[in-house]
Amino acid sequence: GAVVSQHPSWVICKSGTSVKIECRSLDFQATTMFWYRQFPKQSLMLMATSNEGSKATYEQGVEKDKFLINHASLTLSTLTVTSAHPEDSSFYICSASLGQGIYNEQFFGPGTRLTVL
Amino acid sequence: KQEVTQIPAALSVPEGENLVLNCSFTDSAIYNLQWFRQDPGKGLTSLLLIQSSQREQTSGRLNASLDKSSGRSTLYIAASQPGDSATYLCAAGANSKLTFGKGITLSVRP
Repeated sequence: GAVVSQHPSWVICKSGTSVKIECRSLDFQATTMFWYRQFPKQSLMLMATSNEGSKATYEQGVEKDKFLINHASLTLSTLTVTSAHPEDSSFYICSASLGQGIYNEQFFGPGTRLTVL
Repeated sequence: KQEVTQIPAALSVPEGENLVLNCSFTDSAIYNLQWFRQDPGKGLTSLLLIQSSQREQTSGRLNASLDKSSGRSTLYIAASQPGDSATYLCAAGANSKLTFGKGITLSVRP
């Protein structure tokens, strides 16, 4: 149990376009979902935390107008990278939690590789 | 601000060796400590989760310990196999966040 999927697994887009990444909890309802970004040889960096039905909380330095997060249901959160640029190329990973905040284990998706040309 | 350190960045061992991967964190006020495995280009696989009230967790050949007061956790891998080759990340849970280390890339030689 506790499976999280992401779609697409990889995407290549032109600079200036927008890309949407979906994160789904397949067999449980996720009150909280998290979005991370990982650059090569680097650690995962938390971008934002989203709770179902409310606005996402963004980490310092993450542009909320560039990285739009929607958590419309207990099983789906989306991350939209707007007006993507080559420096946005990265590995984006989501996670989902059964309960509120960090008290419950986070289950991670397989990640989405974004390449912006 | 929580900082998580994993040293060394890379490790190469012969098959069959028992090994210990270290993780240190600066803020001892954590809720839990997780160890993950990441294969190249892939997502994270959760290995072990230790709640702050626990001292260790075991799963198969893996054993993770937690010493909050000293800000350390270790992942013990018994009888290593080539299939254990991957990057191992630890993450400290505190203040509603998981803070990750950069990981240790393990290579187990046949």
